[in-house]
Amino acid sequence: QSVLTQPPSASGTPGQRVTISCSGSSSNIGSNYVYWYQQLPGTAPKLLIYSNNQRPSGVPDRFSGSKSGTSASLAISGLRSEDEADYYCAAWDDSLSGLVVFGGGTKLTVL
Amino acid sequence: QLQLQESGPGLVKPSETLSLTCTVSGGSISSSSYYWGWIRQPPGKGLEWIGSIYYSGSTYYNPSLKSRVTISVDTSKNQFSLKLSSVTAADTAVYYCARHGNIVVVPAAIFDYWGQGTLVTVSS
Repeated sequence: QSVLTQPPSASGTPGQRVTISCSGSSSNIGSNYVYWYQQLPGTAPKLLIYSNNQRPSGVPDRFSGSKSGTSASLAISGLRSEDEADYYCAAWDDSLSGLVVFGGGTKLTVL
Repeated sequence: QLQLQESGPGLVKPSETLSLTCTVSGGSISSSSYYWGWIRQPPGKGLEWIGSIYYSGSTYYNPSLKSRVTISVDTSKNQFSLKLSSVTAADTAVYYCARHGNIVVVPAAIFDYWGQGTLVTVSS
């Protein structure tokens, strides 16, 4: 059971816009930045979005992040076949002495 | 370009200690701007943060693993290491090392450089 809740799967056709949600609580998303990671099959995760809505250099602007209260979302517009991957949200959690928490991951299928 | 590379045994017996090392190249592990972390991923499952260390030796651990985990750093070799004791089959996973933002400055879940990961299987 992950601390952050994501839908296990999502899908879309090429060119579509899809969103992936991430739900948390006041001790994590509600009080800290949200990060998103993309994991292509057989590879290490890659930082996709940082500080809720910022893109690292090299990440296409088709990817965008947002946060409201204790929830966050990742949106992918102009869906492409190469976007098929697992997506994870993450945040710092202030409970106990502090820790990093991840969502359970969402497998995105491009139909 | 910063690179991280995990190394260590791919097979560990139950009840023994898992030991991995991450070698950092292309940058200094002694940077004041970063912690250095370990994350694992059981086969077919999601990511779990294990813990992170600063070059001074300051550590943060996942409370669920804290009693079994030790992370250490060797700045002379630009390496940091993970030890996980009393392993069981549930510890079978791909273990990643990654560069972690400075938790003290901004508590955050930012890992911007990752190693390729190494599969550790716990089995007799």
